[in-house]
Amino acid sequence: QVQLQQSGPGLVKPSQTLSLTCGISGDSVSSISAAWSWIRQSPSRGLEWLGRTYYRSKWYSEYAVSVKTRITLNPDTSKNQFSLQLTSVTPEDTAVYYCARDIRGHFDHWGQGTLVTVSS
Amino acid sequence: EIVMTQSPATLSVSPGERATLSCRASQSVSSNLAWYQQKPGQAPRLLIYGASTRATGIPARFSGSGSGTQFTLTISSLQSEDFAVYFCQQYNNWPRTFGQGTKVEIK
Repeated sequence: QVQLQQSGPGLVKPSQTLSLTCGISGDSVSSISAAWSWIRQSPSRGLEWLGRTYYRSKWYSEYAVSVKTRITLNPDTSKNQFSLQLTSVTPEDTAVYYCARDIRGHFDHWGQGTLVTVSS
Repeated sequence: EIVMTQSPATLSVSPGERATLSCRASQSVSSNLAWYQQKPGQAPRLLIYGASTRATGIPARFSGSGSGTQFTLTISSLQSEDFAVYFCQQYNNWPRTFGQGTKVEIK
């Protein structure tokens, strides 16, 4: 049974860095048949895929153009988890953030979601 | 970027009735289309992938059809637990994109 457990702060100040972690159980972050994504949801932008990381003999990361200059996804094999860092946040980055397992393009398991508010 | 358009925005249906939800892609996505159900305060749940394949544990009353640019999710006989928001998502092109959702509410 795959489970994803998110952790991280729910409040971030403008211009600072949003950091979230997704712990994986029932699968491996190094799985060669899965990728690991972050998706966010807000009333104004709907569901928006942000990026993914995956292992295929080496590590790859791919990012949405909308956040490409500000986002980093990092796998942590020792803890079987992966993280999201989004720099220089503004109130427009306020959203519920989800991690999800990506199997050939669709998302079959999701974390519980973290509401991140960007406010001073 | 492929734009996914869902209709209607809201669908009012009585329990036991059939619900038909539509999703249109701005260009062909072949059969690389998924459907998700989301209830308030919860993460989306995968229902259908490959346009018509039910995900593990999804009841047979949920069915998906279509290919190319036009897709349909049908719920054959609505149960109380099916009242929720439904999203489609294409994974034929980058970036992965979602529709804006159809809310299925009790009539």
